Amino acid sequence: GAVVSQHPSWVICKSGTSVKIECRSLDFQATTMFWYRQFPKQSLMLMATSNEGSKATYEQGVEKDKFLINHASLTLSTLTVTSAHPEDSSFYICSARKGQDEKLFFGSGTQLSVL
Amino acid sequence: GENVEQHPSTLSVQEGDSAVIKCTYSDSASNYFPWYKQELGKGPQLIIDIRSNVGEKKDQRIAVTLNKTAKHFSLHITETQPEDSAVYFCAASTGTASKLTFGTGTRLQVTL
Repeated sequence: GAVVSQHPSWVICKSGTSVKIECRSLDFQATTMFWYRQFPKQSLMLMATSNEGSKATYEQGVEKDKFLINHASLTLSTLTVTSAHPEDSSFYICSARKGQDEKLFFGSGTQLSVL
Repeated sequence: GENVEQHPSTLSVQEGDSAVIKCTYSDSASNYFPWYKQELGKGPQLIIDIRSNVGEKKDQRIAVTLNKTAKHFSLHITETQPEDSAVYFCAASTGTASKLTFGTGTRLQVTL
C-alpha cells in the first residue's frame, strides 16, 4: 500500500500563533513531498515542493517565511504556518511521491481556522 | 506552464447511469494523467491513472481514455452508485520529477 498520514485533521488557533502540520508516509519512503492549499469548492493550489534533506521550493506568491517547510527524513515533512492570521484559514493537504513512481498519494488534510 | 481545463463543473446523474468528465491539457510534453476522487473534508484519493503510451485503461466501473493528438482525456464511470458522489479532479504532469497540475474539479452527484 501507500498510506500518507496527516496530523492534525483540524486545528483552531488564535491570530499571531504558529501551527505545525505533520505529514508522514507510513509504508514507503518519500523522497519528495508536496504541500497544497485548498479553498472551499476550489481546486488544489500547490504551495511548495519538499525534497528530503534540502530546502523546499516554493511556488510563486507563496511566502517562504510564512509557511516553513521541513523535510527532515524520508518519511516526514512538516509545514509550519507562522504568525497565523484569519486569511491563512484554509484546508492544507500534503502528498508524497513513492520512489520514482509518478503516483502521488495524499494525506487526509488539515482544516486550519485562525480566530 | 501546463494548463488543465475540466468540464463540467457539476454533474448530476441518476443511479445506474454513466458519468463522463472531460479534461484538456496544454503541454504536449505531459505524459502522466491521474484522476482523483475527493470526498468532503478529506484528501484526494487516486482512483485511476494513465500514461501517454496507452490510449485506454479500465478498472471495474471506472475507465480513462486519452487522445494525445487532441490533448484531452476523459473519466468514465459506469453503473453509478450514490457512493460515487464526490468531487473529481483530473491532473497532468510531464514525469516523475515534475509537479501535478490539477483541473478545476467536477462535483458529481448521483441521485436515487
